[in-house]
Amino acid sequence: DVKVTQSSRYLVKRTGEKVFLECVQDMDHENMFWYRQDPGLGLRLIYFSYDVKMKEKGDIPEGYSVSREKKERFSLILESASTNQTSMYLCASSLGAGRNEQFFGPGTRLTVL
Amino acid sequence: QKEVEQDPGPLSVPEGAIVSLNCTYSNSAFQYFMWYRQYSRKGPELLMYTYSSGNKEDGRFTAQVDKSSKYISLFIRDSQPSDSATYLCAYGGANFNKFYFGSGTKLNVKP
Repeated sequence: DVKVTQSSRYLVKRTGEKVFLECVQDMDHENMFWYRQDPGLGLRLIYFSYDVKMKEKGDIPEGYSVSREKKERFSLILESASTNQTSMYLCASSLGAGRNEQFFGPGTRLTVL
Repeated sequence: QKEVEQDPGPLSVPEGAIVSLNCTYSNSAFQYFMWYRQYSRKGPELLMYTYSSGNKEDGRFTAQVDKSSKYISLFIRDSQPSDSATYLCAYGGANFNKFYFGSGTKLNVKP
């Protein structure tokens, strides 16, 4: 079974703080993704990575950056957290090479005060 | 226009009913279609994964893709209270790793 884990289930931060969300997958997947999920808006792609040290912007990258130094780990960074970044953050991974189904982690519910 | 449209529900059915969940999509070039189930405060769980048109069955679940009308469906037979969740459809292309997700339909199966 594919396992995707995220560093925290719940996180509360203050406006202006730098926030790190970590994601680890254990199935040697090539591709990793960060989404945020908000009521009525569904899942929106923030960034994805198709290889170590490679990254691509998704639909809503503003205010976020990412890091992928190792194949199994993909980090999302909020450079200066703002209240409109309060959301559920979901990490996913996929094998690649035509096997594109994505497997999700449990999510991190981030509240920015 | 959104890439994929999905009725948010909620859809409420009695236990044992057949449930039909549907999405419409816009890009006819995409070939991969998925359905996810998401329980409250959890991450989405992959239920079905299909390529191109046709039906795929897995136990009580059947996924159907109609490319001529750009319509994807998930049928749940003999629905159970444990099926109560939000169901997300998603689709994407073979050469891209990016998928587009519907906003989800909330299903409630009453005992």
